[in-house]
Formats: sequence, C-alpha cells, structure tokens
Amino acid sequence: ETGVTQTPRHLVMGMTNKKSLKCEQHLGHNAMYWYKQSAKKPLELMFVYNFKEQTENNSVPSRFSPECPNSSHLFLHLHTLQPEDSALYLCASSQVTLTSTDTQYFGPGTRLTVL
Amino acid sequence: QKEVEQNSGPLSVPEGAIASLNCTYSDRGSQSFFWYRQYSGKSPELIMSIYSNGDKEDGRFTAQLNKASQYVSLLIRDSQPSDSATYLCAVNTYNTDKLIFGTGTRLQVFP
Repeated sequence: ETGVTQTPRHLVMGMTNKKSLKCEQHLGHNAMYWYKQSAKKPLELMFVYNFKEQTENNSVPSRFSPECPNSSHLFLHLHTLQPEDSALYLCASSQVTLTSTDTQYFGPGTRLTVL
Repeated sequence: QKEVEQNSGPLSVPEGAIASLNCTYSDRGSQSFFWYRQYSGKSPELIMSIYSNGDKEDGRFTAQLNKASQYVSLLIRDSQPSDSATYLCAVNTYNTDKLIFGTGTRLQVFP
C-alpha cells in the first residue's frame, strides 16, 4: 500500500447506526486531517492531529468523534448522524515542523450517505 | 475577508488555449503555496507547490507567486478536455499545522 488509504470507500447508514471511517498513511508523516466536502461545496476542515495530539476541532458536532492511536492511523467514529451529514469525507496527511506544514496528501475519500 | 480567495468560475477555455487561474491570500506571513486539482467526486491531487517569488514550471503547468501583491496563479498551457476539473489553491502560514484552502475554480476545456 502506498500513500493515504481510506476504508470504506462507500458507506450507507441509518441515523441510529454507529460506524467508523478508517484512514492510514504510509508516507511517514506526523500530522493527519479529516475534511468534509458536501456536494458542490468547498473543503471543510474538521480535525487536525499533530504527533497524535488533536490541535484543531473546527466546531464539529459531537456525533463525529475522531481517534488517532498513532501517527499512521486516524479514525472517525460516527453515531446518530443526520441526513445533512451525507458528504465525501477526506483524510489527508502531511509532514509538520515547528514552523510550517508541507504538502498535504489526500486519501481517496469515503462517500457517506445517511438515510 | 476570506483568507484565500478564488473566482469560483466556471472558467471556459477552448482546447489548446492557455488557462489562467488566480488566487489571492490575506496573510502576509504565508510561506507555502499549493495548487490541487479535483475531479468531480474524487479527492484533491497535488499539481504544484511553490515557495518563493517568481515562476515554477512543470510540464504544461506554471505556478507564479508574487508575495508583495499576495497572489499566486496557475497557468495551464495547451489545455486539454482532461484538464476540466476544479482547481484548489492552498496556503500555509507561519507556525501552523494546516493549509487554508480556497473554494476552488472550476475549469472547463471545450473541444
């Protein structure tokens, strides 16, 4: 496996379900990100993890719960979602120094549909 | 004022023409600048990065950076229909661990 991988690629869930999205990066990076992209809308940054520590929570509802057990893996736990949460969820990783961050590389995304 | 601004388009150019995409940013401390291409329903992929003033060329793509005027542009020479996509400008400022993305410009190249 190379780059950034995400599973599942497609997910359909009901509003009462609990599911998790998984992201893995094989680039040796130290920072990982979750983005949401709704249809015809720009990227919305949700969470940032830097050296496994959460450094950004961009006012995301608590029904989205991130987990970063190590620098290579990132999860997004989902529960009691709403239909408006249907979107493409993108994971990215980058190499961060004390003063800047370099290129972010994106995974293929998980297309989520909430019924 | 948005931190990174792009014209949403669509920008329509004929095949073989030069497409010019522009981006302005508000933070003078910005250090790193990136152009991503995103096809509909797909994830963004990096096209170019640029860190210093001037031009940087890679094949049919040229990125131009002017820090004094706070803009970065992307030129696509000999545009092809396969270049039709949304182009995202992203900027990193000093001492942050995230990129600020613009809303993207949709490019349409017609035969």
